[in-house]
Amino acid sequence: DQQVKQNSPSLSVQEGRISILNCDYTNSMFDYFLWYKKYPAEGPTFLISISSIKDKNEDGRFTVFLNKSAKHLSLHIVPSQPGDSAVYFCAARVYGGSQGNLIFGKGTKLSVKP
Amino acid sequence: EAEVAQSPRYKITEKSQAVAFWCDPISGHATLYWYRQILGQGPELLVQFQDESVVDDSQLPKDRFSAERLKGVDSTLKIQPAELGDSAMYLCASAPGQGSHEQYFGPGTRLTVT
Repeated sequence: DQQVKQNSPSLSVQEGRISILNCDYTNSMFDYFLWYKKYPAEGPTFLISISSIKDKNEDGRFTVFLNKSAKHLSLHIVPSQPGDSAVYFCAARVYGGSQGNLIFGKGTKLSVKP
Repeated sequence: EAEVAQSPRYKITEKSQAVAFWCDPISGHATLYWYRQILGQGPELLVQFQDESVVDDSQLPKDRFSAERLKGVDSTLKIQPAELGDSAMYLCASAPGQGSHEQYFGPGTRLTVT
């Protein structure tokens, strides 16, 4: 059973507009949530993270929101740029569990059109 | 900028053959992870090292897979014999320590088993 779910396989957005990528989780023991960006033929690159005790974290054009009651987090990219086109993975870490191992969603492919 | 190095980047092998992947983590990173990513899925943990010790290999198919990190620095992942279902991207990641929630990924090795 998937503990981290990204239900949208793809998302297409116009350049300059907001991109919103969503992620749902089932395990209440996750203590950190992370977003990674992956270009083809490259490894995932860390983008932004949020602690489970926070509800928002912002870094430049990227903001992650966490709704613990709904077990839902989202990544907002504003404004979206063509270079943001990539696969975005949501990941979560279990507190006190397997030494910090991350559990990943299946990813959402973002396409930003010029 | 420090990076995780992996080689080879691409590997094609016939089933029943042996194959090995190499990873050199960021200097000073004590924790090293091997992940497997099947197309359309997120990375899944195979094995985690803390220095030279395995701390989690519960998802490693031990009948055919082995991993070592003899001196606590670089690491090798081996598959013998390879099967068609092993075709995937093999990713190595490192982190400063077990308490760190951020993991830094290498470019991966794309394995194709024919």
